[in-house]
Amino acid sequence: GQSLEQPSEVTAVEGAIVQINCTYQTSGFYGLSWYQQHDGGAPTFLSYNALDGLEETGRFSSFLSRSDSYGYLLLQELQMKDSASYFCAVRGGDNTDKLIFGTGTRLQVFP
Amino acid sequence: NAGVTQTPKFRVLKTGQSMTLLCAQDMNHEYMYWYRQDPGMGLRLIHYSVGEGTTAKGEVPDGYNVSRLKKQNFLLGLESAAPSQTSVYFCASTGTLSGNTIYFGEGSWLTVV
Repeated sequence: GQSLEQPSEVTAVEGAIVQINCTYQTSGFYGLSWYQQHDGGAPTFLSYNALDGLEETGRFSSFLSRSDSYGYLLLQELQMKDSASYFCAVRGGDNTDKLIFGTGTRLQVFP
Repeated sequence: NAGVTQTPKFRVLKTGQSMTLLCAQDMNHEYMYWYRQDPGMGLRLIHYSVGEGTTAKGEVPDGYNVSRLKKQNFLLGLESAAPSQTSVYFCASTGTLSGNTIYFGEGSWLTVV
């Protein structure tokens, strides 16, 4: 089956840069996406990589390397409001239309 | 501009009772998904649909059934609720014209006692 692994927790201070990694076991997927979820809320879309390389969206950037089965989300100029859980996800892997999420990373930003 | 709407938002069930969660989207999306999220955990795919009249099993389908009789609606049913089904349920949708953005409902908190 498909699986996406992430570190369970990452901590950082305001203004810093943090990288959240995602390693996966699947093939043939359309692309890798990233979501943010605050406690008690629904996931919201952050970024998407269809092709290998870096995609930049404001303070957030995402990277994909299909040859390494690896991707990451980069958050710059961290703010307290960035404290949340972050999930990577793939759709279309293993010749299905399933949308499978990673294990999730809880980011805590300290002042 | 409703997006994805889930009903009900909160429900308490007794073991053995049945219920249906409704997910409605107004974006003409082809793909719809049901997930459960247990405390401190990720989202696990229960069932999904790639179009009206189609359904398929996800990662954790046991104890749940789904139907997609209309394109805009995706129903999740629990025939005989069990305490292990206490969770937060999220519906999501996407379509070929929405790029690669997945839209989520606000969640449905279900407690089985």
